[in-house]
Amino acid sequence: RKEVEQDPGPFNVPEGATVAFNCTYSNSASQSFFWYRQDCRKEPKLLMSVYSSGNEDGRFTAQLNRASQYISLLIRDSKLSDSATYLCVVFPSSGSARQLTFGSGTQLTVLP
Amino acid sequence: NAGVMQNPRHLVRRRGQEARLRCSPMKGHSHVYWYRQLPEEGLKFMVYLQKENIIDESGMPKERFSAEFPKEGPSILRIQQVVRGDSAAYFCASSPPTLNIQYFGAGTRLSVL
Repeated sequence: RKEVEQDPGPFNVPEGATVAFNCTYSNSASQSFFWYRQDCRKEPKLLMSVYSSGNEDGRFTAQLNRASQYISLLIRDSKLSDSATYLCVVFPSSGSARQLTFGSGTQLTVLP
Repeated sequence: NAGVMQNPRHLVRRRGQEARLRCSPMKGHSHVYWYRQLPEEGLKFMVYLQKENIIDESGMPKERFSAEFPKEGPSILRIQQVVRGDSAAYFCASSPPTLNIQYFGAGTRLSVL
């Protein structure tokens, strides 16, 4: 089983649509959680951290369910510029390990 | 405040040559990480360094790959005797000591002919 699993998509949605991505992780002791976005042939860029209480940043809402080991990202009123690959990222639990573990990404294309 | 700087952006090597990839972390960041992204795959952790110390190299291939972060100058990822399978995007990230968030450089795309 992969440490971080995502639906690879692709998701093709019209402008203005609402789209949701899901992610599960295997290490129940994981400490921190993030969504990054990666544009084609570019570096990953931090989109938002994910907190147990849920958090919102404009059109983006992230949720974490520790009991189910499940993370989600909701994008409302999607824009053409939202087209990218969305990466679910988990930070380890303890010790000297500080590497991020990436899901393989969910590809989103927003269509005009 | 410049971001994470990587160079070169593109590197072409023939099989058997050496590749040297450089990374300068963001100002104030003392932790450096290297990740590799093979074509059509996700990012995989390679190594985590602090100044003059390798903290975790559990993701590094056992042979031909090495990394350093000297007291002065950038972090270097070195690949000796490159093979076609080394062709990938190599990303460097940095973070301050007290935060879990990592910021990525633009990457070096290595092509092995």
